[in-house]
Amino acid sequence: DAGVIQSPRHEVTEMGQEVTLRCKPISGHDYLFWYRQTMMRGLELLIYFNNNVPIDDSGMPEDRFSAKMPNASFSTLKIQPSEPRDSAVYFCASSLASRPPQHFGDGTRLSIL
Amino acid sequence: AQSVTQLDSHVSVSEGTPVLLRCNYSSSYSPSLFWYVQHPNKGLQLLLKYTSAATLVKGINGFEAEFKKSETSFHLTKPSAHMSDAAEYFCVVSAMNRDDKIIFGKGTRLHILP
Repeated sequence: DAGVIQSPRHEVTEMGQEVTLRCKPISGHDYLFWYRQTMMRGLELLIYFNNNVPIDDSGMPEDRFSAKMPNASFSTLKIQPSEPRDSAVYFCASSLASRPPQHFGDGTRLSIL
Repeated sequence: AQSVTQLDSHVSVSEGTPVLLRCNYSSSYSPSLFWYVQHPNKGLQLLLKYTSAATLVKGINGFEAEFKKSETSFHLTKPSAHMSDAAEYFCVVSAMNRDDKIIFGKGTRLHILP
């Protein structure tokens, strides 16, 4: 199995720019999760989808964050405009017919200058 | 509502000695409990899970955990530590068969001394 694939692995950009993180879940998995990890706050669930439908987005910090899942094999997390406090490692994860997530990607390390 | 407390932020053991990572939980409903491991610059990997079957749960890499309802604990153990076990470990609780939030502990960093 290819596992959960995230891109890019690293992103450095300036404050105010739009950032798009991408995720390809494991084929056949029906749950997809986006998490954010920082030293201060630990691991936070941002949003999760079931069968491409957003189920719980209460963890999305504010309107600058948005997530989409146009089909079963692709999801994006977008930050517009980005701020330095958004700097973190963002993980995508997927699972089959269950919560919590079974498989995590290796993350995107985002730095906003 | 659920909560989870990992009692130690860091644990150091010598290679070949037993590992004990402590986790206490609180849940209004029958809990599902999980342990994950995260190696540096990697995503989390599911080690094992408890979902109301046997109270002693065996996971990958020789780890196991025991669900103790009377103590509201779900401690992770391994008889003999290996250098490759050095990582961060997360205890997770969710309410079984409900769509309540999944709560991650703050993590315990395991150091293995040669």
